[in-house]
Amino acid sequence: NAGVTQTPKFRVLKTGQSMTLLCAQDMNHEYMYWYRQDPGMGLRLIHYSVGEGTTAKGEVPDGYNVSRLKKQNFLLGLESAAPSQTSVYFCASSQPIGRFYEQYFGPGTRLTVT
Amino acid sequence: DQQVKQNSPSLSVQEGRISILNCDYTNSMFDYFLWYKKYPAEGPTFLISISSIKDKNEDGRFTVFLNKSAKHLSLHIVPSQPGDSAVYFCAASLIQGAQKLVFGQGTRLTINP
Repeated sequence: NAGVTQTPKFRVLKTGQSMTLLCAQDMNHEYMYWYRQDPGMGLRLIHYSVGEGTTAKGEVPDGYNVSRLKKQNFLLGLESAAPSQTSVYFCASSQPIGRFYEQYFGPGTRLTVT
Repeated sequence: DQQVKQNSPSLSVQEGRISILNCDYTNSMFDYFLWYKKYPAEGPTFLISISSIKDKNEDGRFTVFLNKSAKHLSLHIVPSQPGDSAVYFCAASLIQGAQKLVFGQGTRLTINP
């Protein structure tokens, strides 16, 4: 049981390049999330999904797109990378049971945009 | 507008003593409060939570206290152990379609032998 995995672990991009970050979970969770973490700041929600084929915007969605074609995968895309998108990106998943449900996080992807 | 704040970037505590991490929030609509622990190069892992209708929740060495009138919560770790050295994030939950978490900036806890 791998939990939540993220690919790649590290990436360096030039300004204007594009890339896709992949998140996979093997817990059959309905909900998936993408966060970014910047120095001195907490994690901020970029986009989230409440089920296969659905996505919604979080707190900081600009410059990112997402897709959830399969229940176990949640992709985060950067169409034209900017230095302001240098960050550590975390994916999480959860299963909505009751009023509170724990979010399980992946190990993160460190992205540098030069 | 930072809805969840951890005003201490770091805290150093001697092994065996009590560690107290603090968190303040502004939004009275939050329904759960959580603490996550994060080691370097790993994702955050859930530690403990408390419902907004409670004032205390205990799990082994970890206790979370909630003071709604002051909009303040704290995490107590007793006794502190070297393996507790990590960054601790306070988070608050809003149910809006999905459970959305709002995180504080984190506090780096160092336990000294």
